[in-house]
Amino acid sequence: DAGVIQSPRHEVTEMGQEVTLRCKPISGHNSLFWYRQTMMRGLELLIYFNNNVPIDDSGMPEDRFSAKMPNASFSTLKIQPSEPRDSAVYFCASSLLGSGNTIYFGEGSWLTVV
Amino acid sequence: KQEVTQIPAALSVPEGENLVLNCSFTDSAIYNLQWFRQDPGKGLTSLLLIQSSQREQTSGRLNASLDKSSGRSTLYIAASQPGDSATYLCAPIRGAGKSTFGDGTTLTVKP
Repeated sequence: DAGVIQSPRHEVTEMGQEVTLRCKPISGHNSLFWYRQTMMRGLELLIYFNNNVPIDDSGMPEDRFSAKMPNASFSTLKIQPSEPRDSAVYFCASSLLGSGNTIYFGEGSWLTVV
Repeated sequence: KQEVTQIPAALSVPEGENLVLNCSFTDSAIYNLQWFRQDPGKGLTSLLLIQSSQREQTSGRLNASLDKSSGRSTLYIAASQPGDSATYLCAPIRGAGKSTFGDGTTLTVKP
């Protein structure tokens, strides 16, 4: 299996622009997670989905952030409008609920907002 | 709200030493706990998953233990090697896979 695939790997954008991060979970996994990692705050869970349904979005920092999972093989995390403080590494992860919940991470999307 | 603390924050040892990384968490109502490794500029790699019903799990030179009632887990690395240098994170996992991460222990193994 190719693992969790994220795109883009790196993005530099100007403040105010819309940013869309994409994730393809491991085939067959039914849970998907979006995390954000910064030096100041460490690794934070933003939102997670079970069977394509958002279960807990309490970690989403503001209304500027939104996430969707239109089908079992694709999810997006959108920031609109972006701000410099959104600069971070955004990780997507997936797991198979009921199998022990081992979580598999993608390589991350490195976002810089200038 | 789950709080996860990892001690020490950083550790530097000579090659060949055995070492222990500690993880404590405040909410013991977890399904399992996972240890990860993160190399600079990379994602997280799963090392070990301990089910809540287990006391420990082993993989090669790694051994992880879990004491759910006291909210503690340890990761033991035997005969450390320079390739073990990385940041190690623990994550207690609640229902539906919701996890909370510690800040990690950054390990440096000197040749």
